[in-house]
Amino acid sequence: NAGVMQNPRHLVRRRGQEARLRCSPMKGHSHVYWYRQLPEEGLKFMVYLQKENIIDESGMPKERFSAEFPKEGPSILRIQQVVRGDSAAYFCASSPPGRPAFFGQGTRLTVV
Amino acid sequence: AQKVTQAQTEISVVEKEDVTLDCVYETRDTTYYLFWYKQPPSGELVFLIRRNSFDEQNEISGRYSWNFQKSTSSFNFTITASQVVDSAVYFCAQGNAGNMLTFGGGTRLMVKP
Repeated sequence: NAGVMQNPRHLVRRRGQEARLRCSPMKGHSHVYWYRQLPEEGLKFMVYLQKENIIDESGMPKERFSAEFPKEGPSILRIQQVVRGDSAAYFCASSPPGRPAFFGQGTRLTVV
Repeated sequence: AQKVTQAQTEISVVEKEDVTLDCVYETRDTTYYLFWYKQPPSGELVFLIRRNSFDEQNEISGRYSWNFQKSTSSFNFTITASQVVDSAVYFCAQGNAGNMLTFGGGTRLMVKP
């Protein structure tokens, strides 16, 4: 049973470009969570999704960030018009209902 | 609002020493969960344990043990006979139903041979 798969592991974008981060949850997991680990700020919750639904996005920045978890395929975290401050490690986690979440290896985004 | 404090930002020990990582949390929820995760140098987050607020029994898993004290809002983690492979950043976290977690700032543990 493969773990939570995130790709790419490393992503470099120039300022103003778009970044797309993908997350395939563990088999049988219907809940997906995105977290961001900024230098000096620690891990922060961003968004919680179930298939085709955003359950809680209280941690998402109001602009440029969006997330989806379609009926088929991976969850996508999309960052439009990236800025240097978006450089961080982005972690995806998945779980079945009511169970602890397991994290992927993260995507390290560098904005140059 | 929830808050998790890991006062120890960095701890250095020599192999085979015991080490305790402190975690203090704040919440108004009566039902909640507490977690510990390990982040080794490779960067992934490894789940270690989840406890719910109604279960104050201490837990032991091999060299790892956890002490949950609701009276002091603490959920401390002890590694017995530490090994070099235990070197990592350890995060304590708290959440209500589900996995929308509030993480502490982490404690970097360095175990020297």
